Amino acid sequence: NAGVTQTPKFQVLKTGQSMTLQCAQDMNHEYMSWYRQDPGMGLRLIHYSVGAGITDQGEVPNGYNVSRSTTEDFPLRLLSAAPSQTSVYFCASRQAGDAIQHFGDGTRLSIL
Amino acid sequence: GDSVTQMEGPVTLSEEAFLTINCTYTATGYPSLFWYVQYPGEGLQLLLKATKADDKGSNKGFEATYRKETTSFHLEKGSVQVSDSAVYFCALTSGSRLTFGEGTQLTVNP
Repeated sequence: NAGVTQTPKFQVLKTGQSMTLQCAQDMNHEYMSWYRQDPGMGLRLIHYSVGAGITDQGEVPNGYNVSRSTTEDFPLRLLSAAPSQTSVYFCASRQAGDAIQHFGDGTRLSIL
Repeated sequence: GDSVTQMEGPVTLSEEAFLTINCTYTATGYPSLFWYVQYPGEGLQLLLKATKADDKGSNKGFEATYRKETTSFHLEKGSVQVSDSAVYFCALTSGSRLTFGEGTQLTVNP
């Protein structure tokens, strides 16, 4: 049982480049979320989805896009990377009606 | 909006010492409360939870009690081990969102 899988684990980008962070879950969870983790700030919610075709903004959505075309996948797109987006990104999923979130191992992103 | 405040870290203890990490929250309604743990290089794992007032969550020797009157959910362990070294996050959920505290780095020395 793979759970929540994030790829890549590490990435270095130049300012202005674009990329997509991948997230897939095999638990048939309705809810999926993206967080960023920065020192001293805990985890902050970027975007979330309550089901295929439905997405919404979290606490820090600027500079990021998401889509949810299937239940399993929830990619996060950076259209034009900025140094302020250097962070560790976590994807999480949970079943509707269950408050427990399942996290991936994270993507460490550096933007030069 | 909802918020979670954790005691400032980092915390350094000797093996077998008593651990308390304070957590207080602000929320509307009746949130569920959680402690997550993050070991080096890994994602977050659920450590324990409590879903209503006076509930006590426990796991791996850790405990926390949902105190509605003081809006607190402090994490305790009677005797820490080196393997408990990690970052601990207090969190609450209300509706579809999970709100985290800042995290507390715990280092346990042999």
